[in-house]
Amino acid sequence: QSALTQPASVSGSPGQSITISCTGTSNDVGAYNYVSWYQQHPGKAPKLMICDVRRRPSGVSNRFSGSKSANTASLTISGLQSEDEADYYCSSYTGSNTYVFGTGTRVTVL
Amino acid sequence: QVLLVQSGAEVKKPGASVRLSCKTSGNNVNNYYIFWVRQAPGQGLEWVGMINPSGTYTTYAQKFQGRVTLTRDSPTTVVYMELSSLKSGDTAVYFCASEYGPTSFWGQGTQVTVSS
Repeated sequence: QSALTQPASVSGSPGQSITISCTGTSNDVGAYNYVSWYQQHPGKAPKLMICDVRRRPSGVSNRFSGSKSANTASLTISGLQSEDEADYYCSSYTGSNTYVFGTGTRVTVL
Repeated sequence: QVLLVQSGAEVKKPGASVRLSCKTSGNNVNNYYIFWVRQAPGQGLEWVGMINPSGTYTTYAQKFQGRVTLTRDSPTTVVYMELSSLKSGDTAVYFCASEYGPTSFWGQGTQVTVSS
């Protein structure tokens, strides 16, 4: 199972919106509505930001939103803030109770 | 609320095996699947495998098939991950985690270093 493809880096100014893509195949992202997004700050465990493509866990800011079209999922961060600077990973169910992560995207707030 | 506490750092020689533990506690902890993820230095997250609540069913990423074994001791609510035939590329931080829909709990991570 190959890793899902994400851009290596995305940047934006405070207050702007950015979108991170996550491209898989018809066997993972395209096949199931089980795409999650994680935020990871250096030296910390990942934090779940979005599950089931667009579902936001309790406590996660509504500035974070998820979507999916065909084999590509997306995470949009609106009203970018300095604390959003982190690494972001997507994850998708691949069937038979297995999952795969994306390659990761470094978000920089300019 | 579920708490996951992982065992301490390990240093192993190539070819050896390592067994990591993940102590689970909290409400209905025995109802949760536990999965393992690793992260090599400066690299991304990599899904390793998952074990069901009763410990009777496991799934592994194809890359680790035959080298990793997940087990679960229900009475002590401890989940174990054993990785064999270690090589330098297995040097990483290993996380245990549990998720059910929008609820997500992660351990603090265990550093495994493989070096001769």
